[in-house]
Amino acid sequence: GAGVSQSPRYKVAKRGQDVALRCDPISGHVSLFWYQQALGQGPEFLTYFQNEAQLDKSGLPSDRFFAERPEGSVSTLKIQRTQQEDSAVYLCASTTARVPSYEQYFGPGTRLTVT
Amino acid sequence: GNSVTQMEGPVTLSEEAFLTINCTYTATGYPSLFWYVQYPGEGLQLLLKATKADDKGSNKGFEATYRKETTSFHLEKGSVQVSDSAVYFCALTLTSGSRLTFGEGTQLTVNP
Repeated sequence: GAGVSQSPRYKVAKRGQDVALRCDPISGHVSLFWYQQALGQGPEFLTYFQNEAQLDKSGLPSDRFFAERPEGSVSTLKIQRTQQEDSAVYLCASTTARVPSYEQYFGPGTRLTVT
Repeated sequence: GNSVTQMEGPVTLSEEAFLTINCTYTATGYPSLFWYVQYPGEGLQLLLKATKADDKGSNKGFEATYRKETTSFHLEKGSVQVSDSAVYFCALTLTSGSRLTFGEGTQLTVNP
């Protein structure tokens, strides 16, 4: 079946622009995670949804970052007034209680470059 | 807080060599431990996992044993192949279905 998809795969933004990154989780997966992966580093947690409810947003680095999942499936991560330090790969993952050990399935990521 | 520390990379080996990538962790509770692999141009994939002390996770010839006494989960493979070239991440979670905490990753290159 289809895995987690993300779009766009690559995004170049000028400093100060707003961007929106999309994640399509595996159908039926109720849990959705966003992670930020800086160059040469491991992914770091940003936020977590269970269905449409955002249960944890403690990893969002500033109030310029906003995520939503209004119908409990597709999620959008929005970054306002992008800064150079926002350059990273943004990863989305999904899972559900029906998956053994709640294994998280990752998308290919969106590479954001802020110039 | 929770953290994962991996051996510094990159690691370069010849085909059929023995591989060890060290991973140690700090956790406030009793974590589940994972190794994820990221092949060039692809998303993270779960390689293996262990959910309690002394469990051994294994997959594709890779193994790792959950050592609570040394808070470690070292990844090993007896004979690496060129196709194993990738970035390997050690990770933990405290509760099924909750966030993963990752190490910084180890780049492995296997030469023919």
